[in-house]
Amino acid sequence: DAKTTQPNSMESNEEEPVHLPCNHSTISGTDYIHWYRQLPSQGPEYVIHGLTSNVNNRMASLAIAEDRKSSTLILHRATLRDAAVYYCTVLRQGGKLIFGQGTELSVKP
Amino acid sequence: ETGVTQSPTHLIKTRGQQVTLRCSSQSGHNTVSWYQQALGQGPQFIFQYYREEENGRGNFPPRFSGLQFPNYSSELNVNALELDDSALYLCASSLTGDSYNEQFFGPGTRLTVL
Repeated sequence: DAKTTQPNSMESNEEEPVHLPCNHSTISGTDYIHWYRQLPSQGPEYVIHGLTSNVNNRMASLAIAEDRKSSTLILHRATLRDAAVYYCTVLRQGGKLIFGQGTELSVKP
Repeated sequence: ETGVTQSPTHLIKTRGQQVTLRCSSQSGHNTVSWYQQALGQGPQFIFQYYREEENGRGNFPPRFSGLQFPNYSSELNVNALELDDSALYLCASSLTGDSYNEQFFGPGTRLTVL
């Protein structure tokens, strides 16, 4: 199974950009990279996903390394509501989202 | 558009008992996946159902079983409960089982085994 590795925690100031890194060195060619975030006592919430090219949506941007062994989730302007555990996951056919330990992001006002 | 719902929200059982957890998928979604999340850990994939058939399974023993119904709602059954089964059980639905589709998670069922 593809494994993901993320820093345990990161801290950011409100209104500043945040770059959350992830390593997925054993990813297979058809695996998609998905990012989710989870607030306490809630289920994970989808953030963004991609295969090879960088992706943007209203929540964030996803930068994928050329060799696909790593990716970075970019929150352009962190808000207090962005404080959560962020999971970098690999999704392969059969729905098997492979979660790591996640990065706990704290945002300081 | 109704999101993913799960019932019950909390449940307490004793070792050896059996439990059934339920999930209603988001409208238009035919695929449901189940995950187990222990405290302080990321979710672990249990299995996925696509159009009423099991479409993939994680490293869980056979006492974890499931069903998907014609309306694409789903059940997770766990027999012979063990203390380590205490966790948050998450259900997620997606448009199809393809890897490019995002999964939409419900709020989870918190199971405590005493």
